Amino acid sequence: KNQVEQSPQSLIILEGKNCTLQCNYTVSPFSNLRWYKQDTGRGPVSLTIMTFSENTKSNGRYTATLDADTKQSSLHITASQLSDSASYICGGKSTFGDGTTLTVKP
Amino acid sequence: GAVVSQHPSRVICKSGTSVKIECRSLDFQATTMFWYRQFPKQSLMLMATSNEGSKATYEQGVEKDKFLINHASLTLSTLTVTSAHPEDSSFYICSAKTGTPPENTEAFFGQGTRLTVV
Repeated sequence: KNQVEQSPQSLIILEGKNCTLQCNYTVSPFSNLRWYKQDTGRGPVSLTIMTFSENTKSNGRYTATLDADTKQSSLHITASQLSDSASYICGGKSTFGDGTTLTVKP
Repeated sequence: GAVVSQHPSRVICKSGTSVKIECRSLDFQATTMFWYRQFPKQSLMLMATSNEGSKATYEQGVEKDKFLINHASLTLSTLTVTSAHPEDSSFYICSAKTGTPPENTEAFFGQGTRLTVV
C-alpha cells in the first residue's frame, strides 16, 4: 500500500473552473509535504512546500492546505487555465503519490 | 527557483550497453542529489541518495552494481545504467538540494531522461 495516496486519479474540468486535489499520507516522520506539477515527459516543478507548523500556503492560483492531525493535504487550483493540464504529485522526502492527472478543456 | 539540468533528455541504446546520465546544479551547490525512476502514470520511485564525495545510499531493491552513481563535485552527479536491458527502459529524474539539514531545504528536479533500451 502506497504511503501517499492521491485522489482523484484523473480529473477533467473546464477552463476557468476551480478544482481541489487530495493527498492522504501515512508516512512518518514527515518533516514537510510538497506539491509538484509535472508536465508529460518533464521533471516535477515545485508548487508548494509546507512544514507541520503551516496549514495553508499559496502560490499564485495554487493554494495548498495541510492537516497534520488527519494527515491530509489538498491542492486547490483557482480559475484553471489550459496550461494547468498536467500531473500533480504530492509527497515528501522520498515518498510520493501516483499523482492526479488534470485535464483542463476549453 | 534554482536550476537543475539533466542530460541527455532522451537516449536510445542497445541491450547490453551502458548509458550515463548527468545531473548538474547550475546556480547552486548541491550537497545532496537524488535519483528517481518513474514508470508511466506511476509515482517517482527513489533509487538512491548521493552526497558529494561519499558513496551513494541505495534504496532497497535497487542494484548498486547496475545503477552506478557518482557525485564527484557539488554541481554534478552521474547515473550510469550498466548492461542495460529493455526492462530498464524508464524515465529517470534527478533532484538536488543544498543546505543543512537537507530535509529542510527545497529540492529542485531536473527535466528527466527518457531511456529506451532496444
